[in-house]
Formats: sequence, structure tokens, C-alpha cells
Amino acid sequence: DVKVTQSSRYLVKRTGEKVFLECVQDMDHENMFWYRQDPGLGLRLIYFSYDVKMKEKGDIPEGYSVSREKKERFSLILESASTNQTSMYLCASSLRGQADNSPLHFGNGTRLTVT
Amino acid sequence: GQNIDQPTEMTATEGAIVQINCTYQTSGFNGLFWYQQHAGEAPTFLSYNVLDGLEEKGRFSSFLSRSKGYSYLLLKELQMKDSASYLCAVRDGDYKLSFGAGTTVTVRA
Repeated sequence: DVKVTQSSRYLVKRTGEKVFLECVQDMDHENMFWYRQDPGLGLRLIYFSYDVKMKEKGDIPEGYSVSREKKERFSLILESASTNQTSMYLCASSLRGQADNSPLHFGNGTRLTVT
Repeated sequence: GQNIDQPTEMTATEGAIVQINCTYQTSGFNGLFWYQQHAGEAPTFLSYNVLDGLEEKGRFSSFLSRSKGYSYLLLKELQMKDSASYLCAVRDGDYKLSFGAGTTVTVRA
């Protein structure tokens, strides 16, 4: 079974802090994603990566950056945390495939509260 | 932008059938996925459709009509453990999945 592990289940940070959310997958997947999930809005894509050192902006990249130095690890960085970044953050991975049924495999999420 | 619509909530009785509709307007189409998410847990993959028609997988079936931008997830013989959110997602390119807001299904005894 694919395992996607997020380093923290709950985090509380102060406004203006730099925050790192870490995600590791153990199935040699090429693609990795960061989503945030908010009530009534569903999952929104922040950034994704289809290869080491490659990154692409998703739908809501503002205020975030990412790092993918190794294939198995994808980090989300909040450069200066703000209260509107309080949310559930979900990391996911998938096999490379342009027209296949490769699903996303999600981690258990990190609930971040910014005060 | 992407527009994926599904009902917010549905309630059904144990043993019954529930159909969750999803309509989408996206810039491209490269497959539609359904996920199940129990409260406090990660979403888990349920089904995938890329061609028109019905895909059946045990008690769950998913249907797609690409010309209508429409899909549904059918849950049969409902069980209490089926109480969860169900997420419709469209892959509109090579990699990205765009999600609807999710439908919360409550199964009552």
C-alpha cells in the first residue's frame, strides 16, 4: 500500500512565522501535490511537482512556496504565515501518467492554525 | 477556471440507494474521479471514469457523460459506514485534479 506521511497532524503558529509542512511518500511516485481543504470550498490545489526540482503553480499559490529536492519528499513553505492560511493541508502523490487512471494517494493532513 | 458542482448534503436510510450527481465545466478533460472522505481522515480513491458509461465496483457505481459534463456516484445497499463526504474531481490536463466542494452523505438507521 502507498504511504504518504505528513510530518505533523496539528500545528499552531503565530502570524508572520515561516512555516514548513513536510510530506514523504514511499512508492517512488513522480507526481506530488499540496492541497488545502476548507469547509464549503473543497480541496484547492496550491502547488504540484511532476519531477525532482520541478514545480508548477496550482490555483492558489499566493503566499506559498514549495521545495522538491528528493523524489520522495515535497515541502510546502508559508513564507510569512497569516490568519487566512489557517486550514487543513493535504499532501498527495501519484504515478506519472498522462491518460491513465492513476489516482491521488493522500496523507492524513496537517491542521494548521495561525494566530 | 474550473467549475465542479455537487450537492452539499444528502441523507438516506440504511439499505437504500443514493445517487450523488456531479456536473463540471473545465478547460480540459482527462478523467473523472470519485473519492470518499470520512471525517478527520484522508480522502480515499473510489472510482475513475474516462469514457462514457457506467463503471461498477461492488456496491458503488460511477457513470459519466462527457457530452453533458455530468457524472454520478451510485451507492447501493447503504451501510452506516458509508456516512462520509464524497468528492468529485476532474483531471483537466496531465497532472492536476480539480475538486468539487464535496457531498456529505448521512446514513440513518
